[in-house]
Formats: sequence, structure tokens, C-alpha cells
Amino acid sequence: ELKVEQNPLFLSMQEGKNYTIYCNYSTTSDRLYWYRQDPGKSLESLFVLLSNGAVKQEGRLMASLDTKARLSTLHITAAVHDLSATYFCAVDSFTGGSNYKLTFGKGTLLTVNP
Amino acid sequence: AAGVIQSPRHLIKEKRETATLKCYPIPRHDTVYWYQQGPGQDPQFLISFYEKMQSDKGSIPDRFSAQQFSDYHSELNMSSLELGDSALYFCASSLGPHSGNTIYFGEGSWLTVV
Repeated sequence: ELKVEQNPLFLSMQEGKNYTIYCNYSTTSDRLYWYRQDPGKSLESLFVLLSNGAVKQEGRLMASLDTKARLSTLHITAAVHDLSATYFCAVDSFTGGSNYKLTFGKGTLLTVNP
Repeated sequence: AAGVIQSPRHLIKEKRETATLKCYPIPRHDTVYWYQQGPGQDPQFLISFYEKMQSDKGSIPDRFSAQQFSDYHSELNMSSLELGDSALYFCASSLGPHSGNTIYFGEGSWLTVV
């Protein structure tokens, strides 16, 4: 069974600082997703990483994927308060036939303090 | 742009009652997923449909059933509700089940069982 581990689960950082969230997964997959969730809200798609070495950037967030190490990172540059949210990574796994499903990590609750 | 529409947004039911959640995927999307997210938890995969056929099943209780209709909307039926069924239920849609395209989530339906 696929296991997806995120760390840290809680992250409190100051505005202007940099930090990285890590996502490890246990079985082979070539597709990894990052989502943002504000309290009580939906899951907002941030990045879809489809191949080894994929790197995507949007604003202060940059995500990368190393399929050989089964590791994805979400790097935050010069954090601002608006980035405070829970960030989930999710791994797309093949379940037979033409079926895939997302398995989520536990999420990282990010709080950016002034 | 059109998003995934879920209804109702909030629902309060008593134990042992029945609830039905509806999901209208993004136009042209043929794949629908249902996820359950308990308070402070990561989303858990329940069931998915591709072209109106059930494609995969996750940790969905036998008391729950779902289907996808000819217009691609989906309904999740939950019977004999238990307190532990209280959660945020997400529907998501994508174009194809394994294309690596972004999976878009709806706003969710809050179910409270009292």
C-alpha cells in the first residue's frame, strides 16, 4: 500500500524567510500533486509534477520531483502572511486497469508570522 | 471558468438517517472522484467513476453507494449515518483517469451527523 509522508506537519515561520516542505512516498509513481487548503475550504491545485526532475514555480512557491528518490519538495521563498494554509502533497498511484487514485500526505500546516 | 459544483454545501442529519450529496464535474470532464476529509485529517479516497462506470473503490463503507449519471454528474448516497461520518466530502473531476491532468476539487459538502 502506498504511503505518503510529509514533513514537517507543522511549520511556523517568519515573513521573509525561506523554507522547504518534504514529501516522501513509498512506491513508484511518476505523478505528484501539491494542493493548498485554507481552513474549511476546498483543495486548490498548485502544481502537477509529471516526470523525474520536473520543477515548477509560481510566485514564491517552487516544487520539484525526484522519482528515483521518491521525493518531492515544496520550497517557499521570502514567505508572506498570505501563504499561511495547509499544504498537501498527493501521489497518483495505479490501481489496476486504467484506474488511478490520489493518496494524500497528512498535510503541513504553515503559519507565517509578521 | 466553470468549476466542480457540489450540493448541498452544508447538511445536518441525525444518526441512522440517509444523506445524498451531488457533484457536477467541470464540463467535458469524464472522471469523478469522491474523497472524505475528517476534521484535521487528510482527504481519504472513497470511490471514482470514469465514463459512468465505477473505476476504483477505496475505503468506502458498505453503507455508502455512488453512481455517475449519463450527464456525468455523480451522487454519493450515505445510509444509516453514524457520528463518525461527519466530515467534509469532496468531489473532484478530471479529463480522463490517468492522463496526468490536473484533478480539480469542488468546494466540498459539510456533513454533520448529530
